[in-house]
Amino acid sequence: QKEVEQNSGPLSVPEGAIASLNCTYSDRGSQSFFWYRQYSGKSPELIMSIYSNGDKEDGRFTAQLNKASQYVSLLIRDSQPSDSATYLCAVKMNNNAGNMLTFGGGTRLMVKP
Amino acid sequence: KAGVTQTPRYLIKTRGQQVTLSCSPISGHRSVSWYQQTPGQGLQFLFEYFSETQRNKGNFPGRFSGRQFSNSRSEMNVSTLELGDSALYLCASSFGKISTDTQYFGPGTRLTVL
Repeated sequence: QKEVEQNSGPLSVPEGAIASLNCTYSDRGSQSFFWYRQYSGKSPELIMSIYSNGDKEDGRFTAQLNKASQYVSLLIRDSQPSDSATYLCAVKMNNNAGNMLTFGGGTRLMVKP
Repeated sequence: KAGVTQTPRYLIKTRGQQVTLSCSPISGHRSVSWYQQTPGQGLQFLFEYFSETQRNKGNFPGRFSGRQFSNSRSEMNVSTLELGDSALYLCASSFGKISTDTQYFGPGTRLTVL
């Protein structure tokens, strides 16, 4: 079992719809969670970080964290073609002494005009 | 504020050679982490340096090494290159506080081993 799991997709949504991206993790003691967006041929770009249970909103993006279920998600409202990219879930697990991030395999999102 | 910079952006090497990649973190950041990204394995952690000390290490062979200088700039070295080392090498910088630190990635170095 992978430590951080994501559905590889592609997830296809029409323009203007809500895209829902999901991520599960294995280490129950994990405290920090991040969503990165990566366009093809580019490096990951931070979208959101979340540390507490519940929702965190930033513009069209909402991150949701449920530590009891070991589940973190990212909602993108009013999806635009420019949102088409791979979305990476990253977790800072409790068993490391430093800043190591464990990444999921990423979900490829396609927003169709 | 300037972002994370990495040099060179592209490299082509042959098997058996060695390579050194460089990373300059965001000003004020003291932690530099290195990751390898391949289509098959995704993003995998190599190591992290904080205040010139290796703070964390991933599951990579000893051919992969790194160091950090007093100005927080970091280098990673891969010796005796193998075909499987072809990858995008990403460096990420952060302030270095463990609990809520956020890492920002550089543009990466694309290494091709022939």
